[in-house]
Amino acid sequence: DAKTTQPPSMDCAEGRAANLPCNHSTISGNEYVYWYRQIHSQGPQYIIHGLKNNETNEMASLIITEDRKSSTLILPHATLRDTAVYYCIVRAGDKIIFGKGTRLHILP
Amino acid sequence: DAGVTQSPTHLIKTRGQQVTLRCSPKSGHDTVSWYQQALGQGPQFIFQYYEEEERQRGNFPDRFSGHQFPNYSSELNVNALLLGDSALYLCASSLQGNLPQHFGDGTRLSIL
Repeated sequence: DAKTTQPPSMDCAEGRAANLPCNHSTISGNEYVYWYRQIHSQGPQYIIHGLKNNETNEMASLIITEDRKSSTLILPHATLRDTAVYYCIVRAGDKIIFGKGTRLHILP
Repeated sequence: DAGVTQSPTHLIKTRGQQVTLRCSPKSGHDTVSWYQQALGQGPQFIFQYYEEEERQRGNFPDRFSGHQFPNYSSELNVNALLLGDSALYLCASSLQGNLPQHFGDGTRLSIL
């Protein structure tokens, strides 16, 4: 069973920042938070991961709260190509446990 | 640099039949995991293969079995197909089972 909670859907205007929240209140001290996204008809794509510090790469930024019970994925300038289902995952051993994710709609 | 490739892309079977799906991992990866994704749901972990052995298994019946070859490619076999086995089957590869895993685009299996 997934150990994360995400809103089922969100809208964001094209060109604006998309902020996707995730709740992981039962996260253990050595568990990382990973984000993947799945564009229609494709396999999931890795975006970013972090332990307790904020992280940034060419795709997105990840903000993790100090108590590590929640995090936010930020897409700084959303485009129509960012329309996808976004999954927040807490690593459970060597396997990935997916929840239902957040369906992000980018509005033109 | 080839990513994860899966074949076939689509497959139609009938109840009771058997099916084999194939996966070639990303170059340099040695671990293969399989997932089942029903429509509207997130992917569910089936099992993981490393060094030609099943290392971990999710909550799937014995009808689901797999194999990993010396070149790290893998097969997923499903026997006695049920209507409920209709799904997108995803393969993901990684190095020594460490995240992040890289996914293929899956095989869409339809059971009639």
